[in-house]
Amino acid sequence: DAKTTQPPSMDCAEGRAANLPCNHSTISGNEYVYWYRQIHSQGPQYIIHGLKNNETNEMASLIITEDRKSSTLILPHATLRDTAVYYCIVRAVFGNEKLTFGTGTRLTIIP
Amino acid sequence: DAGVIQSPRHEVTEMGQEVTLRCKPISGHDYLFWYRQTMMRGLELLIYFNNNVPIDDSGMPEDRFSAKMPNASFSTLKIQPSEPRDSAVYFCASNGRASGYGYTFGSGTRLTVV
Repeated sequence: DAKTTQPPSMDCAEGRAANLPCNHSTISGNEYVYWYRQIHSQGPQYIIHGLKNNETNEMASLIITEDRKSSTLILPHATLRDTAVYYCIVRAVFGNEKLTFGTGTRLTIIP
Repeated sequence: DAGVIQSPRHEVTEMGQEVTLRCKPISGHDYLFWYRQTMMRGLELLIYFNNNVPIDDSGMPEDRFSAKMPNASFSTLKIQPSEPRDSAVYFCASNGRASGYGYTFGSGTRLTVV
């Protein structure tokens, strides 16, 4: 699976949009981009995934660049409960079900 | 849906003792994963099963670790004998094709070996 690069930490003011970047310059055509988050002491939580089109669900939006070499996870109105470590992962769709977690971005929402 | 259920939530044991961690995946999910998390190494995949069959155990650290999935609703991760360096949080996760490819993780078991 392709390697990802994320900033180690970010701050965001409560109520503002949190934009978390991820670089995956070696992504291949059959690999999806997944985002998970881990709130302190809990198991990781699935947020969203996408292949090449932008995606939106009740939790977040995922913007993938046209060349697919980077993406941004957007939490539109961050709350204190969004403080967590956010993981960006790329994974092939077929033949390999493994998710390999990196070090992620520690997002702190500031009141 | 109760989600992925792990037991116990906390386990403290003495070095050399056998430890068994348990996991009940979400009904209908055909993939089950065991992860370990430490401060030093982050989240590591230990082993995963598909339809109760182990597919990849390359992450199992050594022969002291073993995992089984006797049926679709139950899996165990056993450490025998346990060592202090095994202290970590162990997570179980399950996934099914119908779930949109998003894994569901359990709350984890915090293991402390003294």
